[in-house]
Amino acid sequence: GESVGLHLPTLSVQEGDNSIINCAYSNSASDYFIWYKQESGKGPQFIIDIRSNMDKRQGQRVTVLLNKTVKHLSLQIAATQPGDSAVYFCAVDGSGNTGKLIFGQGTTLQVKP
Amino acid sequence: DVKVTQSSRYLVKRTGEKVFLECVQDMDHENMFWYRQDPGLGLRLIYFSYDVKMKEKGDIPEGYSVSREKKERFSLILESASTNQTSMYLCASSFGLLASQETQYFGPGTRLLVL
Repeated sequence: GESVGLHLPTLSVQEGDNSIINCAYSNSASDYFIWYKQESGKGPQFIIDIRSNMDKRQGQRVTVLLNKTVKHLSLQIAATQPGDSAVYFCAVDGSGNTGKLIFGQGTTLQVKP
Repeated sequence: DVKVTQSSRYLVKRTGEKVFLECVQDMDHENMFWYRQDPGLGLRLIYFSYDVKMKEKGDIPEGYSVSREKKERFSLILESASTNQTSMYLCASSFGLLASQETQYFGPGTRLLVL
């Protein structure tokens, strides 16, 4: 079945630097991809999404890149701030599994002052 | 803004008790979901519902049941709580007919401890 993996469980960056969080997925038919942010003690919060007809989408300080050839998704955070410290999940539509999003396990982003 | 609320932030129950977790969304979303979140295992889908009175099993439905009598409310029931059901429970909702193609919005979570 579909699987979603993150490359690093923890990422530590200096305040002001750019952060890149990666995610790999297994199903080439997946069409919809989401990034969530989860702060300690809270539920996941939607950050940005992208569909398979695009390879890049930008939000406020965040960019999602989709490489369908290698089935890779990344989240870039510009000028990382202490408030960006959280766990970041990617989620991928479980194509063939109606109604399901498949979640990665999360990367913990630590921002050093 | 989408708002998904859960009835309790923290719950402590004893083994064998029947436990009800309530979730309410205010955006008229068709789809609602219950997940549990455990360290090292990520989010795992327990049940979801795409319409009133409709439900579908997720990946780990054993020991759980659900109820959706009204569109805005989705309840998770632990028929006889066990210690291995100690976890963070997250409710989510989404709009649209194809649930896997829509953003899911999450509640704040209920941290359940079963003693």
